[in-house]
Amino acid sequence: DQQVKQNSPSLSVQEGRISILNCDYTNSMFDYFLWYKKYPAEGPTFLISISSIKDKNEDGRFTVFLNKSAKHLSLHIVPSQPGDSAVYFCAASVLGNYGQNFVFGPGTRLSVLP
Amino acid sequence: EPEVTQTPSHQVTQMGQEVILRCVPISNHLYFYWYRQILGQKVEFLVSFYNNEISEKSEIFDDQFSVERPDGSNFTLKIRSTKLEDSAMYFCASTLSGVAGELFFGEGSRLTVL
Repeated sequence: DQQVKQNSPSLSVQEGRISILNCDYTNSMFDYFLWYKKYPAEGPTFLISISSIKDKNEDGRFTVFLNKSAKHLSLHIVPSQPGDSAVYFCAASVLGNYGQNFVFGPGTRLSVLP
Repeated sequence: EPEVTQTPSHQVTQMGQEVILRCVPISNHLYFYWYRQILGQKVEFLVSFYNNEISEKSEIFDDQFSVERPDGSNFTLKIRSTKLEDSAMYFCASTLSGVAGELFFGEGSRLTVL
């Protein structure tokens, strides 16, 4: 049961262009969405988040868009830099009885080509 | 900047042996998690912990697994009798908020079961 899907396992983008990473979810109870970046042999690093009551959140080069009716969110990185090359995980959380329950997507490997 | 720390970074063990993975969450955080990532696969939820009790656990977290917060700072994951398929990166994470907040991950502990 894949509640959080990232249908593109990989993405290649030229340096300076926009990277768009997509994520779809099935559980309408998710109320908070997050993007993480992961380098090999390191833990995931938090990038940006968005509450379900918003449709956009921006932080520097990173913008997350949420379309609740489509159960879809996307992460835009502009301009893309070679250091952005990593695996990006979409995550969603829902409030459980004792705190948040987080569900992660399978990840998209982004390669930014110089 | 506060961070989640994990030890050991890499442990090699024989099948059937007990393993304890240690984590020191961020000091004012209240909710603690263990995730794992088998090589090439997605980040999978194992267990969440709040107020000295397990909040949620996944199907993966069977009787061979246990968690403990023995002294108010460390958060440990014990695998009683390791199997080959337990080989993975194990990530500890913590968050302050039980409502909507970011998970902060440690660097991970790589477990190799021979």
